[in-house]
Amino acid sequence: NAGVTQTPKFRILKIGQSMTLQCTQDMNHNYMYWYRQDPGMGLKLIYYSVGAGITDKGEVPNGYNVSRSTTEDFPLRLELAAPSQTSVYFCASNTGGLYEQYFGPGTRLTVT
Amino acid sequence: AQTVTQSQPEMSVQEAETVTLSCTYDTSESDYYLFWYKQPPSRQMILVIRQEAYKQQNATENRFSVNFQKAAKSFSLKISDSQLGDAAMYFCAYRSATSNFGNEKLTFGTGTRLTIIP
Repeated sequence: NAGVTQTPKFRILKIGQSMTLQCTQDMNHNYMYWYRQDPGMGLKLIYYSVGAGITDKGEVPNGYNVSRSTTEDFPLRLELAAPSQTSVYFCASNTGGLYEQYFGPGTRLTVT
Repeated sequence: AQTVTQSQPEMSVQEAETVTLSCTYDTSESDYYLFWYKQPPSRQMILVIRQEAYKQQNATENRFSVNFQKAAKSFSLKISDSQLGDAAMYFCAYRSATSNFGNEKLTFGTGTRLTIIP
C-alpha cells in the first residue's frame, strides 16, 4: 500500500512552459485535493475532487486545471507557467467526512 | 470564510521540556474539526492530533495534547517531554463538519517552526 504518490519530486520550468503534476492514491479514496505551499506559509487549496468526474475550485485555482477520470488519479495541469507558481505542491486524499487527509511527499516546482 | 491564525512563527524548547504552540481560528459554524499537522524537513505532512468541536474533552495522543477553548476559538498544542524528532513545522488546520460539497477542504494556518535544543 503506497498511499499517495506524486511525480516528479522536483522540476524546473521556464516561463510559459506547461507541465502536469501527477498524483495517484491506492487507498480507494473518493476525495482528492491539490494544495500549494509557498515559502513560510501554510497550504492553500488549489482544486479538489469528490469523485471521478467531479472537481471544483479551491482558494487559488488561477493558472491551473485538473481532471479526475479515475478514482486513483488526480493530475494537476499548469498552463503557461509563471514565476508566481514557484511553490511546493501537495496532493492529498481521504474518504471524506471526519477522516484525516493523507498527503503525498510533495513536488517542488521552480519557474524561472 | 474561515481563517486560522498561528501567531508564533518560531518556537524553541529544551529537550525533555514542555512547549505549547498557539492557534486561533475564526468561524461562524458551530460544528467543525481542528487538526495539528507536523511537517518535518522531509516535507511529509503528518497528522499529529484531531479535535471534534462537539467534544468538550481535549484530545490526547501520547505526548501530544490540545487545549480546546471553543468560546475563545483557541486550539493550542502541548508537547510534553520534547524529543529531537519533534523538530518540525507545525500547522493548525480547520475543517467544516457540514457535509456539503466543498466543505471537505482544510484551511491551514501559516505554521510554527519548532526547534528542539539538546
